Amino acid sequence: SQELEQSPQSLIVQEGKNLTINCTSSKTLYGLYWYKQKYGEGLIFLMMLQKGGEEKSHEKITAKLDEKKQQSSLHITASQPSHAGIYLCGAGKPQGGSEKLVFGKGTKLTVNP
Amino acid sequence: DGGITQSPKYLFRKEGQNVTLSCEQNLNHDAMYWYRQDPGQGLRLIYYSQIVNDFQKGDIAEGYSVSREKKESFPLTVTSAQKNPTAFYLCAVGYNEQFFGPGTRLTVL
Repeated sequence: SQELEQSPQSLIVQEGKNLTINCTSSKTLYGLYWYKQKYGEGLIFLMMLQKGGEEKSHEKITAKLDEKKQQSSLHITASQPSHAGIYLCGAGKPQGGSEKLVFGKGTKLTVNP
Repeated sequence: DGGITQSPKYLFRKEGQNVTLSCEQNLNHDAMYWYRQDPGQGLRLIYYSQIVNDFQKGDIAEGYSVSREKKESFPLTVTSAQKNPTAFYLCAVGYNEQFFGPGTRLTVL
């Protein structure tokens, strides 16, 4: 079965600093999803990557999928307290039908003002 | 107002009792999912449904049951057979991007 490992498990940064979160898969990624979660709340969809080498950006968050499609990174530029939360990566499965996502354990981000 | 609603937000249950968690959506999605989230464990799939009157077990279905009588609704019952039910439960909908509800925190007393 596919497993996703996220690193680091937790991260504390000063406001304004850049940071990167990584997601490494035990198998080829056919679809890689990034979500953000505030404690005790649901997940908010950020971005989906499918093609090797693909890169997407939304505001100050950029996600990349490597050429071999086994690792993705999430980069936040000039972090703000509003970026704080838990970031989770999820991987879709290649067979047809609904996407049953497998998730990493999450990276907890704290941004100090 | 569109979206996914889960109720209640907090739920307390005594050992040996069954309890049902509600998930309702008006996004017109066929696919619906139930996940369980434990601290440090990430999300694990309990059940999913691709169409009305059909559902499949996920990775941790033991001690849970579901029904899908309407497209809009996918309730989850946590039975007394679930040995460690205290967790945060999340409902999601969608085929590619999955969209999540606000969650229900279940505590067994």
